[in-house]
Amino acid sequence: KAGVTQTPRYLIKTRGQQVTLSCSPISGHRSVSWYQQTPGQGLQFLFEYFSETQRNKGNFPGRFSGRQFSNSRSEMNVSTLELGDSALYLCASSRQADPTDTQYFGPGTRLTVL
Amino acid sequence: AQTVTQSQPEMSVQEAETVTLSCTYDTSENNYYLFWYKQPPSRQMILVIRQEAYKQQNATENRFSVNFQKAAKSFSLKISDSQLGDTAMYFCAFMSPTNQAGTALIFGKGTTLSVSS
Repeated sequence: KAGVTQTPRYLIKTRGQQVTLSCSPISGHRSVSWYQQTPGQGLQFLFEYFSETQRNKGNFPGRFSGRQFSNSRSEMNVSTLELGDSALYLCASSRQADPTDTQYFGPGTRLTVL
Repeated sequence: AQTVTQSQPEMSVQEAETVTLSCTYDTSENNYYLFWYKQPPSRQMILVIRQEAYKQQNATENRFSVNFQKAAKSFSLKISDSQLGDTAMYFCAFMSPTNQAGTALIFGKGTTLSVSS
């Protein structure tokens, strides 16, 4: 079974631009969560989606948004990029939005904002 | 708000030895889950072990075991018979599955473990 895939793997943008990152969960998984990983702040939760509905959102500005499609694939969008948005963005999928389900992480998208 | 603290930024151990990584957390919840995740260099993060707070028995997965002290809010990871492939950053994580929090993981800052031959 294929794992969680994220595209693109690397991205370079300039300040003020916007970016869309994609996450394809493991087949049969309906829950997708997004995390931002930086050296300074560590891993921080962005959003959680289940069956196309946002269940939970972390403490990030409104420039960060996301959505989930009927096939469980998810996208996140960051508008008006800032230098501080440079990070590794990880998504994780699980079968249901249940704490006993293992969350499987993707390889991440490395975003660099210049 | 819940917090997770890993006080050891870096640790090193030799092959075949045992190492313990520390983690403390703060919460007022009674029902929660604790995790250790491993992130090898340039590779995907994977779940090492999970502990449910209502279970008193410490979780074990092969060479990996935890020491869960609920009253002390401590959750350490012991790696026995360390192998070179254990070299990675290890994250302690907390989940409180309330309606507000969903299944969001709260991570510590991580401990970089280096295993040498």
